[in-house]
Amino acid sequence: ETGVTQTPRHLVMGMTNKKSLKCEQHLGHNAMYWYKQSAKKPLELMFVYSLEERVENNSVPSRFSPECPNSSHLFLHLHTLQPEDSALYLCASSQDLAGPSSYNSPLHFGNGTRLTVT
Amino acid sequence: AQTVTQSQPEMSVQEAETVTLSCTYDTSENNYYLFWYKQPPSRQMILVIRQEAYKQQNATENRFSVNFQKAAKSFSLKISDSQLGDTAMYFCAFRPQYGNKLVFGAGTILRVKS
Repeated sequence: ETGVTQTPRHLVMGMTNKKSLKCEQHLGHNAMYWYKQSAKKPLELMFVYSLEERVENNSVPSRFSPECPNSSHLFLHLHTLQPEDSALYLCASSQDLAGPSSYNSPLHFGNGTRLTVT
Repeated sequence: AQTVTQSQPEMSVQEAETVTLSCTYDTSENNYYLFWYKQPPSRQMILVIRQEAYKQQNATENRFSVNFQKAAKSFSLKISDSQLGDTAMYFCAFRPQYGNKLVFGAGTILRVKS
């Protein structure tokens, strides 16, 4: 039990499909994150949610749409993706957002969803 | 903007030996946090060790220790008595004292050989 669970583990979708990635955390954390991990590139922060409110959107294309219905669940809705969107999408959570206490609130990651866009 | 650089794409070490992974970063801030994360083949990112910039003492966690050189903006990870289970991708990460963004390096693949 990792504490942060992502489904599905693998996803193959065409450019015209609509799919969703799901993340669930069982740690009682208040903040959740989506990261994109592409080959040979640093992890890229996509979205940050705190107490179900989006607090950061790092210039992510609108074909990625996050949703946080409660503090335990985070979704990433995908539509009309491009082949270059193929990557590992990692969800993470932390007790709180950054601040003096953030040192004691490191990120806990899920196992990721390996997305392939054909 | 902060950047994190890991100059070693791949490293190998024999079991039971010591290896050091390098990391440098760029920031104009005085206080911040530094982390090393490990990503084994299971893909889950696991926190290995962390350091607060205002603490001069290097952090240690069992076989893992860091060499934090604030003036040089360097944060290397030393793994002693390497074990096969240490085989993974290792990411160095920077987080400002205030702000939500954890900036990662590109990672170093470490292979421990028997």
